[in-house]
Amino acid sequence: EVQLVESGGGLVQPGGSLRLSCPASGFIFTNYWMNWVRQAPGKGLEWVASIKPDGNEKYYVDSVKGRFTISRDNAKNSLYLQMNSLRAEDTAVYYCARDRLKIGGRYFDYWGQGTLVTVSS
Amino acid sequence: DIQMTQSPSSLSASVGDRVTITCRASQNITTFLNWYQQRPGKAPNVLIYAASRFQSGVPSRFSGSGSGTDFTLTISSLQPEDFATYYCQQSYSTVYSFGQGTKLEIK
Repeated sequence: EVQLVESGGGLVQPGGSLRLSCPASGFIFTNYWMNWVRQAPGKGLEWVASIKPDGNEKYYVDSVKGRFTISRDNAKNSLYLQMNSLRAEDTAVYYCARDRLKIGGRYFDYWGQGTLVTVSS
Repeated sequence: DIQMTQSPSSLSASVGDRVTITCRASQNITTFLNWYQQRPGKAPNVLIYAASRFQSGVPSRFSGSGSGTDFTLTISSLQPEDFATYYCQQSYSTVYSFGQGTKLEIK
C-alpha cells in the first residue's frame, strides 16, 4: 500500500523557516517524480514544487522561488520542503504527491493527508 | 506560465442531474489535462487523466473530453457522494497549474 505521511508543519512567525518531511512507503521511491502542493484555508490547490527521481531537476511556482527548496533523500525514501523567509500568504495545508507518468498523461496519483503551516505573529 | 480557468466557480444541482464543468487553458496543452475531486478535509483524488482516461476505480458516470485549450468534465447522473470540489490541472508544462476549482453543491 502506497503511503505518504507529511510532518513538520506548525506555527511560525513571518520571516521564519520550517522544514516539511514526507516519508514514502509501498512503492519504489526512486522511480517517481515527487511534488508539493498547497491549499490556503478555504482556497484552491496550488502546485508548489516538483523534483526528479535523481534529485537533479527541480521546478517551482514563481511565488516561492528563492525561498523554498525541494529535496529528497532516496536512501531514506523521503521528500522534503525547506521553507525560508515565510510570509502570511504561505499559510496553507501542504501535501506531498506522487507524480505518475503514463502514456499520454502525467498526474498525481497518491497524496498524503497534509500538514498545516501557519505563518503569523 | 499556463493559466487554467474553470467555470462555473460553483454549481447547484440535484441527485440524478447531469452536470458539466469546463476548463480552459491559456495555451495549447494537447491532452495533458487532469481532473481531481476533493471532499472537505480530505486530499484530492484523481478522476480523469490525459483529458479522457479513467483512473482505476473511478465510477463510469464520470467522463472527460477535450484537447488543445478547452476541456470538460461530465457527471452523467449525480450521486450524493459527488458533491465536492473539482479541479482541473495541466501537466503539459514542467510548471504545473490548477484551475481555481468548481464547488458542486446540493440544490
